[in-house]
Formats: sequence, structure tokens, C-alpha cells
Amino acid sequence: DAKTTQPPSMDCAEGRAANLPCNHSTISGNEYVYWYRQIHSQGPQYIIHGLKNNETNEMASLIITEDRKSSTLILPHATLRDTAVYYCIVSATDSWGKLQFGAGTQVVVTP
Amino acid sequence: GAVVSQHPSRVICKSGTSVKIECRSLDFQATTMFWYRQFPKQSLMLMATSNEGSKATYEQGVEKDKFLINHASLTLSTLTVTSAHPEDSSFYICSASGVVENTEAFFGQGTRLTVV
Repeated sequence: DAKTTQPPSMDCAEGRAANLPCNHSTISGNEYVYWYRQIHSQGPQYIIHGLKNNETNEMASLIITEDRKSSTLILPHATLRDTAVYYCIVSATDSWGKLQFGAGTQVVVTP
Repeated sequence: GAVVSQHPSRVICKSGTSVKIECRSLDFQATTMFWYRQFPKQSLMLMATSNEGSKATYEQGVEKDKFLINHASLTLSTLTVTSAHPEDSSFYICSASGVVENTEAFFGQGTRLTVV
């Protein structure tokens, strides 16, 4: 069963912010929201994760709704190198590290 | 972030032979490692969870006798594809988690296996 739902694809203009939505309406109280991305033929790269508070790091910001049923990953200034498949994953604390990948969102950043 | 290294990055083998893939955590102790497989244009599929010093836990539908996993130390896990067939050709990726809970898992760069 898919725990998260993401749009299959989205385009973004270089230099603009990219807002990637994710629905996780069945998330449990002990599950974190993780975001990874995979550039073609490489291993996934960690982006950010959070439990209920919004988070920001050097790569992105993660906005989690108050009911925790959805979240948005924000890439503040997309570059061509941000073209990748982005995965939103929920993972419980008692099985942390164990990630069940969905289909993800193919993000294409265009000049 | 922490570094996880896989070796080899690419391997071609003949049908019926076995192939070993190594996954090393270079700068931290990985109590748990995970193995994934990814077919073209598909997402990653978790194959097994590997805990140091104990037997691996396989996901449903993954043959444990075909995909042998050994996690003999806190920095090394190996996946051996035994009696490989062309349908085993895939991208195999490992990840590792450290001792601090609720942190990120770190992924290797993947191994492209082609069975001819």
C-alpha cells in the first residue's frame, strides 16, 4: 500500500522556487516525513526530514501541515542540477532507515 | 553527510555465475544496512534489511537463497547474487543507518549488474 501520494511530474523554471507536494493522510504519530532525490543512475540523496515542525537546511525547506497529512518540499532557487526524481517517504521511528519508495515526482528544471 | 561506498559500480557476469556486491560505511558504524533493487524506469524496491551479526530479514517475494546477505562488521555488508540470470540484471543500491535514531539513511552510489 502506498503511504504517500505525489504528482508524477512537474516542471520548474531555473531560478524559481519549486514546491513539491506530498500527501500522507494515513501517517502515524511515530512516523517521520523524509525527502530524498535520485539523479539518473545514482543512489538516492538525502534532502531533509521532519516530524511535525517545519524544517530548513542548506538544500531545502520542509513544510508540514498541522494535521501532518501533507507536506511540501521547497527548493528555493531551482537549478538545472536539481533535475531529479524526488521521493517523499514516511518512516516510523521503530524501523528508521527502512524506506519504502513510491513512484516519486520527476522534476525537470528548465532554463 | 556520511559516506557509503559500493563496489563494484558496474559488473557484467555470465548467466549461472555468482556476483558479490560490497557496501561499506566509510566514516560511521552502520548497525543496519538495507539493500534495494531498481529496474529501469521504476522506483527502488527494498529487498532486505541487514543487521550486524545477525541474519538478514528479507521482504516478501525476495528469495533469500538467491540473494545472500552478510553483515559481518559494522562497516561492511555484502550482497551475493547466486546463479545469476538475465532477469537479475538491475541496479542494486545499499543504504546504511548509524546508531543515532531518526536520522537519515545514507545511500551508496549503486551497482549496475548486467547478466549475459
